[in-house]
Amino acid sequence: EADIYQTPRYLVIGTGKKITLECSQTMGHDKMYWYQQDPGMELHLIHYSYGVNSTEKGDLSSESTVSRIRTEHFPLTLESARPSHTSQYLCASQGAGDTQYFGPGTRLTVL
Amino acid sequence: QKEVEQDPGPLSVPEGAIVSLNCTYSNSAFQYFMWYRQYSRKGPELLMYTYSSGNKEDGRFTAQVDKSSKYISLFIRDSQPSDSATYLCAMKSVGNSGGSNYKLTFGKGTLLTVNP
Repeated sequence: EADIYQTPRYLVIGTGKKITLECSQTMGHDKMYWYQQDPGMELHLIHYSYGVNSTEKGDLSSESTVSRIRTEHFPLTLESARPSHTSQYLCASQGAGDTQYFGPGTRLTVL
Repeated sequence: QKEVEQDPGPLSVPEGAIVSLNCTYSNSAFQYFMWYRQYSRKGPELLMYTYSSGNKEDGRFTAQVDKSSKYISLFIRDSQPSDSATYLCAMKSVGNSGGSNYKLTFGKGTLLTVNP
């Protein structure tokens, strides 16, 4: 079983708040990813990192930002949350092989 | 046209049935194909991974790839209630260096319910 963790699992906040979604993995994987998943829709890649101090935007435009200061940690930040940010956010990591290991996700609701 | 098309279902079958899940794709650069299983309120987990055309079997699961038709399938034999989940196909292309490109393109997922 993959050791990748996301906190919080569920978050309900008001519009305009700044939030940070945490993602940590203990496998020493270089590559990490953030996906957005809405019901009945594809997972969309919003950010990825191939190593420390490396971050790139994904295929889906997002107002969030990420950082990769440590190998094991890849937090995602929304400076000012809006109802349109309501979604499930999934973090994944990948080592030398081709398998991406997913965390349990954070379900975000912005009122 | 979306790069990956997957019928979202929902699909409901009786226990013991053979289940067929399918995806089509339009990007001929896709060379690596995966099936992920996602239980409710969990993250996806890799179920099957294949590169070449043909069949790959793992227990009750068989992944089939037909690159000429740009069509992949996942078959589940003797389906069980524990197989109830959303099944996502995913694929990726070859990278510039010849190895795999890391970014995955997913289908929408098919919600499967196996009734006891």
